[in-house]
Amino acid sequence: IAGITQAPTSQILAAGRRMTLRCTQDMRHNAMYWYRQDLGLGLRLIHYSNTAGTTGKGEVPDGYSVSRANTDDFPLTLASAVPSQTSVYFCASSPEANYGYTFGSGTRLTVV
Amino acid sequence: AQSVSQHNHHVILSEAASLELGCNYSYGGTVNLFWYVQYPGQHLQLLLKYFSGDPLVKGIKGFEAEFIKSKFSFNLRKPSVQWSDTAEYFCAVNARQAGTALIFGKGTTLSVSS
Repeated sequence: IAGITQAPTSQILAAGRRMTLRCTQDMRHNAMYWYRQDLGLGLRLIHYSNTAGTTGKGEVPDGYSVSRANTDDFPLTLASAVPSQTSVYFCASSPEANYGYTFGSGTRLTVV
Repeated sequence: AQSVSQHNHHVILSEAASLELGCNYSYGGTVNLFWYVQYPGQHLQLLLKYFSGDPLVKGIKGFEAEFIKSKFSFNLRKPSVQWSDTAEYFCAVNARQAGTALIFGKGTTLSVSS
């Protein structure tokens, strides 16, 4: 079934540890995105990539990095996790930047 | 910069009641508009979208939305809600020419009692 796969589904992480959230899509979409969802704040864009090989910063990029080595994969890395990064992280993709998104099932991350 | 405002944080309705969720955006140029729904414990799913043409758009599950350009609004409506519509609803917008990422509102939680 075509779609987006995120891993892990959930994770408890010690503060200061490095963590990579994985996101893979099989729809050959050009654009990919990472959002975090927090209660009362909705979804906020962390980083995006309009096409393989390019990335850009969103609204809340600090403490996160991404790479886009190929069309299918868009990993999100927390270099040194802090408790404020406790959130639900959603990866999304779209054929082009102006289209609607397909979302992954999310990763629930707790930093303690 | 674009922004999206959803007026209602939490709406509580009885089954068969009519629903209207407000959404306003701020951006001076041409926009694409979306409504997404998130059922409890699930990821976001597209309800409907507006790119151009007829400002009244129909989506899945009986939802519709009307784009009123003069009011910068894109309100979501449903004539008769069901218990299964209990979910969180997000309005989103992006600037068409700029090809920017979607900006989401903070969401409206809809609780429908049977």
